[in-house]
Amino acid sequence: KQEVTQIPAALSVPEGENLVLNCSFTDSAIYNLQWFRQDPGKGLTSLLLIQSSQREQTSGRLNASLDKSSGRSTLYIAASQPGDSATYLCAVRLIKAAGNKLTFGGGTRVLVKP
Amino acid sequence: NAGVTQTPKFQVLKTGQSMTLQCAQDMNHEYMSWYRQDPGMGLRLIHYSVGAGITDQGEVPNGYNVSRSTTEDFPLRLLSAAPSQTSVYFCASSGGVGTEAFFGQGTRLTVV
Repeated sequence: KQEVTQIPAALSVPEGENLVLNCSFTDSAIYNLQWFRQDPGKGLTSLLLIQSSQREQTSGRLNASLDKSSGRSTLYIAASQPGDSATYLCAVRLIKAAGNKLTFGGGTRVLVKP
Repeated sequence: NAGVTQTPKFQVLKTGQSMTLQCAQDMNHEYMSWYRQDPGMGLRLIHYSVGAGITDQGEVPNGYNVSRSTTEDFPLRLLSAAPSQTSVYFCASSGGVGTEAFFGQGTRLTVV
């Protein structure tokens, strides 16, 4: 059974510092991995989708890396801002999973202090 | 630019009541899913659909029914609400296998 882990569960950094969020998964037979942001009481906003054949994907200040063989992905957020405060979730899509099912990690709650 | 729309945003039910959570998407996506989010449990798949007329069970389907009569809509029915169904429910859609998923804003359900 695929397990997805995000450590730490919570992170607090001063504004301007780079954020490094970790995601690990046990089954490397994945289509891709998707990073989401969730604000309190809100839905999930897709940040990046990184395919299993890719090593990294970038969007603005966000960069996600993927090492499928070791079962790890890292989301980097450069020059953090208070508006980056949210919970960040990673989710993997297994090749054998039906319905395009996502298996989620527990999330990392980020607080960026001004 | 609606994407995935869920209604209602909040709902309080009494034990034993029934209700339908609505989900609609305007992206012509074939795949739609329902997840529930609970503290300490993360997001878990309830039911999913790979196209109109085709649905299947996810990890935690008990107590829920779904149907998919159109590409756009994928309602989730609670037949007899129980306190264990208190949760935040999310609907998601995607274009096909391995494609990016888009989520609605969620329905926060409390069963008393």
